[in-house]
Amino acid sequence: DQQVKQNSPSLSVQEGRISILNCDYTNSMFDYFLWYKKYPAEGPTFLISISSIKDKNEDGRFTVFLNKSAKHLSLHIVPSQPGDSAVYFCAASDSRLLINTGTASKLTFGTGTRLQVTL
Amino acid sequence: EAQVTQNPRYLITVTGKKLTVTCSQNMNHEYMSWYRQDPGLGLRQIYYSMNVEVTDKGDVPEGYKVSRKEKRNFPLILESPSPNQTSLYFCASSLGGNSNQPQHFGDGTRLSIL
Repeated sequence: DQQVKQNSPSLSVQEGRISILNCDYTNSMFDYFLWYKKYPAEGPTFLISISSIKDKNEDGRFTVFLNKSAKHLSLHIVPSQPGDSAVYFCAASDSRLLINTGTASKLTFGTGTRLQVTL
Repeated sequence: EAQVTQNPRYLITVTGKKLTVTCSQNMNHEYMSWYRQDPGLGLRQIYYSMNVEVTDKGDVPEGYKVSRKEKRNFPLILESPSPNQTSLYFCASSLGGNSNQPQHFGDGTRLSIL
């Protein structure tokens, strides 16, 4: 059962426009969400995160929005640049697990969305 | 430079021949983890370690072993590899086991088991 879903395997956007990548989750215990970016032949790198106590977090051109009632988050990239072309993974976790049980918070990843920014 | 180093980057081998993928981090991180990435399935956690001599199963631990004898190293062992373990593997580390601390990933190891 895929608890974190990225329903769009790919997305093509023109340079300068907005890229919107979507992610849905089913586990209501998830309270912390992250986006990772992955270039070919490299490992994922952390991009931006958001806690469930917020509904928006911004870092430069990247903004993540969280809609808890809809169990939906999205990553906005404005303006999109060719260097943003990569696979983007969203990930979710129950960050209270470590405090409550001593068990490390496990990241559950989505299947990824390949973003292509065209000239 | 802070990094997570995996070796080898690529390996083609045959069923049943034991192999080890090494992982080393130079950031003094306590938490380390192994993932596999498969088409349509995203990244799935195999094993993780909260600290030296402390390891635990992730979502897909069958067929794998790990050890954490030193803080910096977290090797992944396939005692008897099978074709369904053909995958792209990533090692990751973070300061602690709380997801608020983003994980740093290695560049991956592509394993092909024939």
